[in-house]
Amino acid sequence: AQKVTQAQTEISVVEKEDVTLDCVYETRDTTYYLFWYKQPPSGELVFLIRRNSFDEQNEISGRYSWNFQKSTSSFNFTITASQVVDSAVYFCALVSGRGSARQLTFGSGTQLTVLP
Amino acid sequence: DSGVTQTPKHLITATGQRVTLRCSPRSGDLSVYWYQQSLDQGLQFLIQYYNGEERAKGNILERFSAQQFPDLHSELNLSSLELGDSALYFCASSVAGDGFAGYTFGSGTRLTVV
Repeated sequence: AQKVTQAQTEISVVEKEDVTLDCVYETRDTTYYLFWYKQPPSGELVFLIRRNSFDEQNEISGRYSWNFQKSTSSFNFTITASQVVDSAVYFCALVSGRGSARQLTFGSGTQLTVLP
Repeated sequence: DSGVTQTPKHLITATGQRVTLRCSPRSGDLSVYWYQQSLDQGLQFLIQYYNGEERAKGNILERFSAQQFPDLHSELNLSSLELGDSALYFCASSVAGDGFAGYTFGSGTRLTVV
């Protein structure tokens, strides 16, 4: 079984603040992939990043960075110098398991509001 | 534009009715997934098709069914609709069927049952 927990339901910050969204996952498999998706108010799901279980290097993309720590089963997402346009619901997701059919399991999401 | 096309974007219907949601996957993708997003249940996996065949089932009600056609587009049929079926329904596609590559999502169909 696989599970993703996003304990932060809602976060509110003021523009230009840094913010970290937490993600904790559970799986018994050694091979798995982790993802982050963004859902802006318009409703679509936008892919942000994919990380496999064998690559623990942190990733930085512009103002976005991700910290993957297998020791704590966490895959946290940090937005530096947040902007109003970052306001959205952010989902962490996991794919793991044997066999040819695997599906994304999503966390419950974190609503981020960036205030001007 | 993600390349995954869902129609219609919005749908309002009455309880007891039947509706069909349509999804065209991204060019080259063989696998289609359906997800339901509701306020109380979050994003729930419903069903997956790969190259025309059902590959996996999730929390899909018996009143719901789906299929993938030879041209790879997929339809999700929802019948005997209840108020609780009101949700955002997403279709996603991927090249392979194993999910490891991640999915590309469509913009969703917002279903309102009144």
